[in-house]
Amino acid sequence: GAGVSQSPSNKVTEKGKDVELRCDPISGHTALYWYRQSLGQGLEFLIYFQGNSAPDKSGLPSDRFSAERTGGSVSTLTIQRTQQEDSAVYLCASSRGAPEQFFGPGTRLTVL
Amino acid sequence: GQQVMQIPQYQHVQEGEDFTTYCNSSTTLSNIQWYKQRPGGHPVFLIQLVKSGEVKKQKRLTFQFGEAKKNSSLHITATQTTDVGTYFCAVLNAGNNRKLIWGLGTSLAVNP
Repeated sequence: GAGVSQSPSNKVTEKGKDVELRCDPISGHTALYWYRQSLGQGLEFLIYFQGNSAPDKSGLPSDRFSAERTGGSVSTLTIQRTQQEDSAVYLCASSRGAPEQFFGPGTRLTVL
Repeated sequence: GQQVMQIPQYQHVQEGEDFTTYCNSSTTLSNIQWYKQRPGGHPVFLIQLVKSGEVKKQKRLTFQFGEAKKNSSLHITATQTTDVGTYFCAVLNAGNNRKLIWGLGTSLAVNP
């Protein structure tokens, strides 16, 4: 079956603009995670959705970051008023409840 | 907060040499996962360890979980150029058993 997909694969934007990143998890996976990875660095947890429960937003770096998950499936990560330090690869992962996470290919965000 | 320390940060080996990366925690872990990320790729799940003293093998890769469940290691025998990438350990957050805490990874370079 299809894996986790993310779009766009690359996004170049100007400082101050808003961006939306999309994640389509594996069908049937109830858990969805967003991470950020700067060049050569580890994974920084951003937000976690589990079924209909309130999301765990503890990793969002500022109030410019928000995410939603509609219908328990597709998720959108929105970054408002982008800054240069937001440049990174944004990774989405999904899980069926088991600890193993399946990652999408990521969106490379460049803020000029 | 809960942290996992992963060492070394970088490792260069000649093809055919062995390689080991270590993951350490100050607290007892319920389980530990290992992921591999190829250059330009996304993390891919390798294995999960849950039992004290557990040892699992995947071809040339040997994974160990310490007796006290506070540390783990990944050992690669006779490295090949296909082993190049970053190896991450990840553990379940003590307060939320769906959220993973990630090590910073060990980047492996293999000289042919």
